[in-house]
Amino acid sequence: GAGVSQSPRYKVAKRGQDVALRCDPISGHVSLFWYQQALGQGPEFLTYFQNEAQLDKSGLPSDRFFAERPEGSVSTLKIQRTQQEDSAVYLCASSTGTEEQFFGPGTRLTVL
Amino acid sequence: DQQVKQNSPSLSVQEGRISILNCDYTNSMFDYFLWYKKYPAEGPTFLISISSIKDKNEDGRFTVFLNKSAKHLSLHIVPSQPGDSAVYFCAASGSGAGSYQLTFGKGTKLSVIP
Repeated sequence: GAGVSQSPRYKVAKRGQDVALRCDPISGHVSLFWYQQALGQGPEFLTYFQNEAQLDKSGLPSDRFFAERPEGSVSTLKIQRTQQEDSAVYLCASSTGTEEQFFGPGTRLTVL
Repeated sequence: DQQVKQNSPSLSVQEGRISILNCDYTNSMFDYFLWYKKYPAEGPTFLISISSIKDKNEDGRFTVFLNKSAKHLSLHIVPSQPGDSAVYFCAASGSGAGSYQLTFGKGTKLSVIP
């Protein structure tokens, strides 16, 4: 498939556990975005990469959230010491740099 | 404070009729607007967009209208089909710093009744 893929699709974590969410963008897309979508809300911006450079992390809700894209392709969003309020769908999107962003199916994180 | 608002959480339309989904925004720096469609357990799928230099953009059954003075846009689907049943998100981006960020509304759930 040529779309954005994310894994795992579902993740259940106990409060206090660390989690890592993976995103495989569309091949050749230099821009990569992470969004958080809480229940009943629209996606909210977390962070933006251009190739391997993280150019904007202003949307990360706390220092427990960390994202990386070391080789300019696959990206990982890590959440340390998960809290119940972290429960949400985490969406990854990629683009060529134009306005249209292509989204993956998301990872639904549930923190118990 | 929500910068992109979709005030109708849901909308029901008969098959074959027109569906009109509305979106309002408050940030005058927004200059590019998009509509995404989302099915359950899937990510949002790009539908149609419009730049602020235009007031209308059409793609098949889908037309987006932009009224800059009212800070309002709408998506028209004609004719509506059962497969159009989904949640529709309005999104906006601006110029300058942070222009890549999409700001989304909360979505409108469209149900097209056969």
